[in-house]
Amino acid sequence: GDSVTQTEGLVTVTEGLPVMLNCTYQTAYSDVAFFWYVQYLNEAPKLLLRSSTDNKRTEHQGFHATLHKSSSSFHLQKSSVQLSDSALYYCALDTNAYKVIFGKGTHLHVLP
Amino acid sequence: ETAVFQTPNYHVTQVGNEVSFNCKQTLGHDTMYWYKQDSKKLLKIMFSYNNKQLIVNETVPRRFSPQSSDKAHLNLRIKSVEPEDSAVYLCASSSRDWGHQDTQYFGPGTRLLVL
Repeated sequence: GDSVTQTEGLVTVTEGLPVMLNCTYQTAYSDVAFFWYVQYLNEAPKLLLRSSTDNKRTEHQGFHATLHKSSSSFHLQKSSVQLSDSALYYCALDTNAYKVIFGKGTHLHVLP
Repeated sequence: ETAVFQTPNYHVTQVGNEVSFNCKQTLGHDTMYWYKQDSKKLLKIMFSYNNKQLIVNETVPRRFSPQSSDKAHLNLRIKSVEPEDSAVYLCASSSRDWGHQDTQYFGPGTRLLVL
């Protein structure tokens, strides 16, 4: 079946340093889209960025991700994290079958 | 700017009671969803509605039933709540056609506590 794997439950990074949140997937569908959603404390999840094009980098709010179908990955990266980036990050797969599959989420904790 | 509205924000009830949650979106989207976010923050889709037609009904217990009067409203009824139903229920909407996936917009959620 279709699945999204986020291997880290918690990532702790010092402010100003780079970070990468891992996301890998399995799907039998070819026409799919991938999303990163961010959820701040006591707020609803909201879109951070999305992609459906292989090997194309997408960027938003200093974060970037590149879909690599060869390795089934859509990792999220930022070159210099800020305290305000502390949140819960979800990777999601949309199979275009009215079904969206979310990973377990990764808590990003940024230290001063 | 909120465009997906949920009521109530918070609900406390006892085992066996019936509860209903409301969701309305003002984005003109044709697809709405209900998700359950548990205490570990796992986010799982429960139902998906496209133009008032149920598209996906994940393996949720029968005591859960979605209700839609039009494409802007999707309510959730739980007939007889159980302790494991304690969670945050998130409503979302998106615009999609076959062959096109779009962003989901989430409401603020309804937190249910079953005593």
